[in-house]
Parts: sequence; C-alpha cells; structure tokens
Amino acid sequence: DQQVKQNSPSLSVQEGRISILNCDYTNSMFDYFLWYKKYPAEGPTFLISISSIKDKNEDGRFTVFLNKSAKHLSLHIVPSQPGDSAVYFCAAMNTGTASKLTFGTGTRLQVTL
Amino acid sequence: NAGVMQNPRHLVRRRGQEARLRCSPMKGHSHVYWYRQLPEEGLKFMVYLQKENIIDESGMPKERFSAEFPKEGPSILRIQQVVRGDSAAYFCASSGTRYNEQFFGPGTRLTVL
Repeated sequence: DQQVKQNSPSLSVQEGRISILNCDYTNSMFDYFLWYKKYPAEGPTFLISISSIKDKNEDGRFTVFLNKSAKHLSLHIVPSQPGDSAVYFCAAMNTGTASKLTFGTGTRLQVTL
Repeated sequence: NAGVMQNPRHLVRRRGQEARLRCSPMKGHSHVYWYRQLPEEGLKFMVYLQKENIIDESGMPKERFSAEFPKEGPSILRIQQVVRGDSAAYFCASSGTRYNEQFFGPGTRLTVL
C-alpha cells in the first residue's frame, strides 16, 4: 500500500520558470512532511519541511504548500536553475508515534537551458 | 566531515555470502535509521535504533536481516545468505533529539551476483 504517492515520474522545465512537484498521501495520521533532493550515487539531501499546522512554508526559492483536506502537498521552485535537476522525494511522518519516514517514489526534474 | 558516514560505498557479494554495512551518525546524534531503495523505487524504512536499542524494526524482513547500534562504534546492518533480490542501495540516516530532521549518508550500493 503506497501511502505517499508522486504520480509524475518526471518533469521538464525551462530555466527561469517555475517547477511544481506534487505529492499525495493517504494516511491521515501523517503530520509532518518533508522534501528531499537526490543526485545519482548520493544520499537524499533535506530541502524543506512543513508541519500539518501550517499550509505554507517558504525558504528562498523553495516553497511547500500543504492542503490537508485534499491530502496533497506541492513543492514550488522559482526560478528553476539547471543545478536543480535531480530526483525529488516527498516524505511524511507521524511525529506522535513513529520516527520513520514514508517516502514517495520520486519525481525526476530536468531543468533545461 | 561532520556528516553521516557509510562504508563501504559499494559492496559486491555472491549469493549465500554475508553483507555488513556500516553507518556512523553525525556527531551528537544518537538516533539511526536504515532505509533501502530498490531500483526505480522510493526509499523504504527498515529499522530505527538508538544506542544499544532497537526501537522500531517494522520494516525489516523477518529472516536474514539484523541491525545493531552498539554503545561504541558504528551501526551495523547485517544481511546473511544474500540473494539477488537484496541488491539495492541502503541508506542510513541519523537525527538528534529533533527526530523529524533526519540527515542521510551517501548510501551503500549492494550488488549480489
């Protein structure tokens, strides 16, 4: 049972434009959400997170939006840069009962010149 | 380097051999998590350990897999009698008391021939 879903395996965006990566979850007990970026042959690198008590969190070019009623979150990257090309993973956790992260399958972002 | 360290980075084993993967958490971190990434999939939680204790092993296969985090030294993920299906990237993450902030190591890529 895939509790965190990233339905777009890949996304191509022109440099300077906005990249929007989407993530859906099914477990209503999740209350903390994270985005990780991963380059080939490296470990995931933390990007940005959001608690379920908020609906938006911003850090520089990265903004995460959370819609609890729809069980949906998205990561916006503005403006997109070639160095942003990587695989992006959405992850979720229930901070009350467990420390494990449940990951989506990832979206490969390609930022073109 | 104060990051999470994993070794070896690449490990090749023949079917039936044992694999030992090591993880040294970030300085000051006492929580260690192991995740596995199969080809074209997201990361899947395996086990969560604190020093000398297994806290959550709900993601560990019931047979052949074990993990430890001794009082001194790195955390070890041990896979006995490896099979081809064990071929994957194994990532270790660590956290301090803020366990929702998990930092990942570069991973160990296990290939079973």
